[in-house]
Amino acid sequence: QSVLTQPPSASGTPGQRVTISCSGSNSNIGTNSVSWYQQLPGTAPKLLIYGSDQRPSGVPDRFSGSKSATSASLAISGLQSEDEADYYCAAWDDSLNGHWVFGGGTKLTVL
Amino acid sequence: QLQLQESGPGLVKPSDTLSLTCTVSGDSISSTNYFWGWIRQPPGKGLEWIGSLNFRGSTYYNPSLKSRVTVSVDTSQNQFSLKLTSVTAADTAAYYCAREWASGLVRMDLWGQGTMVTVSS
Repeated sequence: QSVLTQPPSASGTPGQRVTISCSGSNSNIGTNSVSWYQQLPGTAPKLLIYGSDQRPSGVPDRFSGSKSATSASLAISGLQSEDEADYYCAAWDDSLNGHWVFGGGTKLTVL
Repeated sequence: QLQLQESGPGLVKPSDTLSLTCTVSGDSISSTNYFWGWIRQPPGKGLEWIGSLNFRGSTYYNPSLKSRVTVSVDTSQNQFSLKLTSVTAADTAAYYCAREWASGLVRMDLWGQGTMVTVSS
């Protein structure tokens, strides 16, 4: 059972906009920023969004993030076949001396 | 360009200690800006953060693994390491090392390619 809650799956057709939610609590998302990671099949996770809504250099602006209270969202617009991957949210949790927590991951299927 | 590379045995016996090393190349591990962490992923499952430390040896651990985990750093070799004791089949996973920003907009921005560790007799 992950500390952050994500839907296990999401889907969309090419060109559509899809969103993935991430729900936490006051000790993690409620206090700290959220980062999102994309994991393509058979590869290591890659940072996609940090600071809840910041994109690292090289990440297309089709990817965007937002946060409100104890929840966060990742939005992907203009969906492409290469976006088919697992997506994870993460946040620092201030409880128990501090530690990172992840969501359980969302498998995105491009139909 | 900064790169991280995990190394260690791919097979560990139950009740033994799992030991992995992450070698950092392209930059010094002795930066006040970063922590250096370990994350694992059992086959077909999600990511689980294990623990991290900075070059001074300050550590943070996953509360659920803390009793079995030790992370350490060797600045002379630009490496950091993970030890997980009393392993069981549940510890079978791909293990990743990553760089973590220590302050500000914290994140895990660079990852190693990962190494698969199987716990089996």
